Amino acid sequence: DAGVTQSPTHLIKTRGQHVTLRCSPISGHKSVSWYQQVLGQGPQFIFQYYEKEERGRGNFPDRFSARQFPNYSSELNVNALLLGDSALYLCASTGGRATDTQYFGPGTRLTVL
Amino acid sequence: RKEVEQDPGPFNVPEGATVAFNCTYSNSASQSFFWYRQDCRKEPKLLMSVYSSGNEDGRFTAQLNRASQYISLLIRDSKLSDSATYLCVVNPPGSGYSTLTFGKGTMLLVSP
Repeated sequence: DAGVTQSPTHLIKTRGQHVTLRCSPISGHKSVSWYQQVLGQGPQFIFQYYEKEERGRGNFPDRFSARQFPNYSSELNVNALLLGDSALYLCASTGGRATDTQYFGPGTRLTVL
Repeated sequence: RKEVEQDPGPFNVPEGATVAFNCTYSNSASQSFFWYRQDCRKEPKLLMSVYSSGNEDGRFTAQLNRASQYISLLIRDSKLSDSATYLCVVNPPGSGYSTLTFGKGTMLLVSP
């Protein structure tokens, strides 16, 4: 079975631009979470979606938004990019229960110049 | 106090050594605890869950001390392939779903 997939793998943008990152969960998983990992830090929780509904939001500005589609894939959008948004963006999928293991995708490495 | 704190290391050990990592968490009502492993420029992967009774998986042993709010990971007979960053992870209380709070990670370097 395919694991969590993310696209693109790498992305270079300039300040002020916007970006859309994509994630497809493991088949059968209905929940997707997004994390940001800045170099030298652990991943930080951004959003969780379950059955197309937002279940949780981390401490990120409104420039960050996300959605989940009927096929459970998800998009993370970031507007008005700042240099500090440069990071590895990770998507994780679970069945949706609190006790489920989260499986991470390979991430999208975003560089903002 | 940070939610999850770890010594960043690096821990430099020779092959065959035993090494232990500790991690502290701030919220005493936290529900679930994990150790994830992250190789350089790769995604985190679950190493093991941490149970109140402690658990062992081969060369790896995890312990949870709720009274002192710390979690430990012991690696015996270190292999070169154990070189990675080990992330201490806590599932915070109050959520009916799984969101994870990560520490910064502890880097382990195993040398020949």
